[in-house]
Amino acid sequence: GIQVEQSPPDLILQEGANSTLRCNFSDSVNNLQWFHQNPWGQLINLFYIPSGTKQNGRLSATTVATERYSLLYISSSQTTDSGVYFCAVVFYGGSRLTFGEGTQLTVNP
Amino acid sequence: ETGVTQSPTHLIKTRGQQVTLRCSSQSGHNTVSWYQQALGQGPQFIFQYYREEENGRGNFPPRFSGLQFPNYSSELNVNALELDDSALYLCASSLSLGGNEQYFGPGTRLTVT
Repeated sequence: GIQVEQSPPDLILQEGANSTLRCNFSDSVNNLQWFHQNPWGQLINLFYIPSGTKQNGRLSATTVATERYSLLYISSSQTTDSGVYFCAVVFYGGSRLTFGEGTQLTVNP
Repeated sequence: ETGVTQSPTHLIKTRGQQVTLRCSSQSGHNTVSWYQQALGQGPQFIFQYYREEENGRGNFPPRFSGLQFPNYSSELNVNALELDDSALYLCASSLSLGGNEQYFGPGTRLTVT
C-alpha cells in the first residue's frame, strides 16, 4: 500500500556529531515536508522539499523524487536538536499529508 | 502575520461525552486539515476543508465531524468519546489544495477518562 518509511527509528548522538535521517515513499509526490516535533507537541516546519536540495544553517535536505527518497542532514548536532523528526508527503493528485513513524533523535552533551 | 492557533490547549473529558476543538488558519490560507496523533505514532489524517466544503476524509468514524467557517477557521467535533480518542489533535492550514506547504498549530491534547 501507499506508505512513508523513516529510518532509523531511534538515533543517539554525542553533541557535535553529524547525522542523516532517511525517508522512503512509495509513490510520486507533489509535497514533501520535514518537521521537528518539540516536547510540547508542535510540529515545526524544517523544509518543504518535493525535489532538490535546500540548506538552512546546520540542517540540509535532499529529495530525489525519481528514486522516491529524501534525506535530512544534521551537522554539528546540539542538545536542542533532540526530539522527533517526521517526514510527511502528499502523494500526487491528493492534498492530505501522510506521515512516517518518525525518528527519535537524542543528542547527549 | 498570525500563525495557526488552536484552542483549547488541553482538555479532559469522560467517555461518552462530546468535544469541540477549534482552529484558526494562517492569514490568507483557505484550506484546513485535521490530524490525530496517538502517543508514539505519526499524525493520522482525519479530514480536510477547502472553502467551507469537506475535501477528503481519512479512516475515521462518522462521530468525527467538522466545519469550516467563512473566515476559514475550523472546528473538529467528536461525539460519543471513547478512551482511544485520547490523543494530540493537530490542525494545519495551507494556501490551497494539492501540494502546498502545510503549517501546523500547537495542538490540543485530549484525554478521555
